[in-house]
Amino acid sequence: GENVEQHPSTLSVQEGDSAVIKCTYSDSASNYFPWYKQELGKRPQLIIDIRSNVGEKKDQRIAVTLNKTAKHFSLHITETQPEDSAVYFCAVPQGGSEKLVFGKGTKLTVNP
Amino acid sequence: DAGVTQSPTHLIKTRGQQVTLRCSPISGHKSVSWYQQVLGQGPQFIFQYYEKEERGRGNFPDRFSARQFPNYSSELNVNALLLGDSALYLCASSFSSEDTQYFGPGTRLTVL
Repeated sequence: GENVEQHPSTLSVQEGDSAVIKCTYSDSASNYFPWYKQELGKRPQLIIDIRSNVGEKKDQRIAVTLNKTAKHFSLHITETQPEDSAVYFCAVPQGGSEKLVFGKGTKLTVNP
Repeated sequence: DAGVTQSPTHLIKTRGQQVTLRCSPISGHKSVSWYQQVLGQGPQFIFQYYEKEERGRGNFPDRFSARQFPNYSSELNVNALLLGDSALYLCASSFSSEDTQYFGPGTRLTVL
């Protein structure tokens, strides 16, 4: 089955700095890569996703880059703000199916 | 524009009991997926239903079952509850089985 590894598990940055979270996956057939943000006690919220026909996608301060050859994709958050503090999960569909396999999560803390 | 809704919000049961959790997808979405999220972990896939048929099943025992109704809402049933079933149960809806999944607020199940 699909194996998704996410690093780092915790990340602490100063407000205004950038944050980068990386995920690697094993199934080369995977073609869809979403990122979810989960605040304490809340639902996972989709913040950005990318499909395998593009290498980068940007939405304001958030971007995702994809390297299909190396089988990894990364979440980039620029000009971080305290409200960016949350747990971030990457996910990959197993075998191109409907089953999302999630990484273990990265707890991001943005210090004011 | 209503998002995914789940009921109940919280539930406390004792070992051996049975529980039914409910999910209503976003209007127009025909696919519902269920995930279990244990504290400190990423969501784990349990089931997906599309057009009232089971499209995928995760690595969960037969005590877990689900169904989808003609209006695309869904129920997750868990029999013979164990302490280890204590978790946040998340429902996600998508337009089709391979589209972006949007999560509901979850049902927090505590088994005593």
